[in-house]
Amino acid sequence: ETGVTQTPRHLVMGMTNKKSLKCEQHLGHNAMYWYKQSAKKPLELMFVYSLEERVENNSVPSRFSPECPNSSHLFLHLHTLQPEDSALYLCASSQAQTLDTQYFGPGTRLTVL
Amino acid sequence: AQKITQTQPGMFVQEKEAVTLDCTYDTSDPSYGLFWYKQPSSGEMIFLIYQGSYDQQNATEGRYSLNFQKARKSANLVISASQLGDSAMYFCAMRTISNFGNEKLTFGTGTRLTIIP
Repeated sequence: ETGVTQTPRHLVMGMTNKKSLKCEQHLGHNAMYWYKQSAKKPLELMFVYSLEERVENNSVPSRFSPECPNSSHLFLHLHTLQPEDSALYLCASSQAQTLDTQYFGPGTRLTVL
Repeated sequence: AQKITQTQPGMFVQEKEAVTLDCTYDTSDPSYGLFWYKQPSSGEMIFLIYQGSYDQQNATEGRYSLNFQKARKSANLVISASQLGDSAMYFCAMRTISNFGNEKLTFGTGTRLTIIP
């Protein structure tokens, strides 16, 4: 498998559920990112992991919890979400500390009921 | 602060015609990379083309070319011979690395391109 993959592609969950989004990159990169894309809003950077260390957290609510066990895998753990958290969640990877391209996965479309 | 501006929320273009999508940027960092991504209705963000701030020549990738005018801080995307499959949202983005080593990727608000048969 090549590129950046994300699972699941679609997720519907209740506000009391706990779920996790998974991202895997096969590009040999050492930085991974979570973005949130809501309808009619610019893309929002949520978390950055560079060399497996979290280097940025843009004031994301604690109901979103990232995990990066190695340079190829990234998770986003979700718990007690709100309906306004419904969005497309995109994972990306790149070479850290360069101006090289970020490559994106296909995204997980999340709906919170 | 980094900023990307895309002033065309939507465009309609006849099939087989060329189309130019506008993008202007603002940064105080001397080194930066400029990108264009295509996002079809499926949601995937597809990388199209890259231009480095020190590149002398405009980038080209097949039917895509980037009209880079550094003095004007513009990085317009040109799609030649448009096809129905080009209908999508198009995002301009800029990646910078500060003197402290902080990297940032900033996106514009996007342009929705619709190709008319």
